[in-house]
Amino acid sequence: GENVEQHPSTLSVQEGDSAVIKCTYSDSASNYFPWYKQELGKRPQLIIDIRSNVGEKKDQRIAVTLNKTAKHFSLHITETQPEDSAVYFCAASDGGTSYGKLTFGQGTILTVHP
Amino acid sequence: SQTIHQWPATLVQPVGSPLSLECTVEGTSNPNLYWYRQAAGRGLQLLFYSVGIGQISSEVPQNLSASRPQDRQFILSSKKLLLSDSGFYLCAWSAWESFNTGELFFGEGSRLTVL
Repeated sequence: GENVEQHPSTLSVQEGDSAVIKCTYSDSASNYFPWYKQELGKRPQLIIDIRSNVGEKKDQRIAVTLNKTAKHFSLHITETQPEDSAVYFCAASDGGTSYGKLTFGQGTILTVHP
Repeated sequence: SQTIHQWPATLVQPVGSPLSLECTVEGTSNPNLYWYRQAAGRGLQLLFYSVGIGQISSEVPQNLSASRPQDRQFILSSKKLLLSDSGFYLCAWSAWESFNTGELFFGEGSRLTVL
């Protein structure tokens, strides 16, 4: 089955800096790669996703890049703000009827210091 | 709009006691339903998923079971809880087949502590 590795496990940045979280996956059939943000004690929520036919996707201060050859994808947050502090999870699935059968990374605790 | 409800929000149970967590989805039909578990400081592990009434697939062997008695109801159960069952349980849904964008919508979660 799919295995997703996520690094780093913790990331501390100053407000205004950029943050990068990286994930690798093992199953070459995976073609859908979402990123979820989970604030303390709350439910995970989708912040951005990318499909295998796209190399990069951007939404305001958040961007995701995908390298299918190397089987890795990354989340980039620019101009970080204290409200960006949360746990971020990457995930992968092979789409189709497997949509929702996401394999998650272990999570990255991002702390943005004012 | 679609909503997902999950209860109870917190639960403290002794070892060996039964468990029942319930999840319902409103505002959509034929959803795919999922139970995930999140251990402290860990990622989300898929426990069960269901593509229809009575159709349950288990992803990992464990002390838990799931049932889907109605289209938008998903129940997680155990006959005898173990200490290792402690964790944060999240129900989730996604749209069915061609309506599916891939996004998972999570419930608020149920925090289970087994003592």
